[in-house]
Amino acid sequence: GAGVSQTPSNKVTEKGKYVELRCDPISGHTALYWYRQSLGQGPEFLIYFQGTGAADDSGLPNDRFFAVRPEGSVSTLKIQRTERGDSAVYLCASSLKGMTSAKVNEQFFGPGTRLTVL
Amino acid sequence: AQSVAQPEDQVNVAEGNPLTVKCTYSVSGNPYLFWYVQYPNRGLQFLLKYITGDNLVKGSYGFEAEFNKSQTSFHLKKPSALVSDSALYFCAVREEGRFQKLVFGTGTRLLVSP
Repeated sequence: GAGVSQTPSNKVTEKGKYVELRCDPISGHTALYWYRQSLGQGPEFLIYFQGTGAADDSGLPNDRFFAVRPEGSVSTLKIQRTERGDSAVYLCASSLKGMTSAKVNEQFFGPGTRLTVL
Repeated sequence: AQSVAQPEDQVNVAEGNPLTVKCTYSVSGNPYLFWYVQYPNRGLQFLLKYITGDNLVKGSYGFEAEFNKSQTSFHLKKPSALVSDSALYFCAVREEGRFQKLVFGTGTRLLVSP
């Protein structure tokens, strides 16, 4: 079946501009995650959705970053007034929600969106 | 707070030899541990996970990992390396409970030579 898809695959923008990054999770996955991966680093957690609501947004670096998932499927990560330090690969992942320790489900990752802020 | 350490930036091994990629973790509660592999220009691919039970877990492509609670380690292993195993490997931890986020290590590049 289809995996997690992300669009665009690459985005180049100028400092100060607004960008939107889209994620299509695996069908039926209620949990959705955004991570950011800088060069030479592991992915860093940004935000987690369970259904339509953000259950944990503790990883968002500041109020320029915002994400939505209005219908519990597709999610959009929005970055306002982009800065050069925002340049990174933005990864989206989805998973089935596990309610017990016996059902801790792995996260499936998309290919990422490479954001370059000039 | 959770954390993961991958002490080796790169591991070099000859094809056919066993490989080990090291990972240690820190959590305040029970850990859920994962290994992912990343090929160039591709997303992270899940290899295996430890949740509970048997300390030796087997995963995709012949990889396995051993959970050692006393040493807080979760090393990735394979008995016989292939050139095609060359990639970037990430260890990740999630703490038992309501927090769903994964905390990743910085990654270890595995280079398997013919």
